Amino acid sequence: DVKVTQSSRYLVKRTGEKVFLECVQDMDHENMFWYRQDPGLGLRLIYFSYDVKMKEKGDIPEGYSVSREKKERFSLILESASTNQTSMYLCASDSGSYNEQFFGPGTRLTVL
Amino acid sequence: AQTVTQSQPEMSVQEAETVTLSCTYDTSESNYYLFWYKQPPSRQMILVIRQEAYKQQNATENRFSVNFQKAAKSFSLKISDSQLGDTAMYFCAYTGNQFYFGTGTSLTVIP
Repeated sequence: DVKVTQSSRYLVKRTGEKVFLECVQDMDHENMFWYRQDPGLGLRLIYFSYDVKMKEKGDIPEGYSVSREKKERFSLILESASTNQTSMYLCASDSGSYNEQFFGPGTRLTVL
Repeated sequence: AQTVTQSQPEMSVQEAETVTLSCTYDTSESNYYLFWYKQPPSRQMILVIRQEAYKQQNATENRFSVNFQKAAKSFSLKISDSQLGDTAMYFCAYTGNQFYFGTGTSLTVIP
């Protein structure tokens, strides 16, 4: 079974904390993605990566950064968490253009 | 810019009935793929069905089928013989050079 896993299903953090969300895929996919899911807004792309140590901004990168040191691992970093970053975060991967994306289970982050 | 529009935020259907979820998209690309994803409550997003734009034949997967109208840029999902397990959020998605998702339709199957 192909798998995308995320480090936490639920996370509660305080305003100003540094937050790390980790994603691992075991499909040897080149491309990895971080999305934010909010009611009524669908999935919005935060960052994506086409290769190790490579990253590209998505539609809403402000307040986030990413790291991809290994092909299978893609981390999302909130440098200083704010309450408006309370959301569901989804990681996904795919093997290239025109291919389906495989999703992780999501991390529901609450920032107090 | 590519956009994907799902105009029905919520829908409901009686068990065993048929329901159609709408999706329209906008693109200037000639080659692209379209997808429907399903996200059950508190569960992982999974692919339901995919359609290659160059194929005229509508894709089908068991009880799920699409009505792909390329000229109208329409890509609706039909679920036949609805089951309780079909209750989920459904996302329409487009990919050419990048993936784009609609805002989702929350479908409830009523027993």
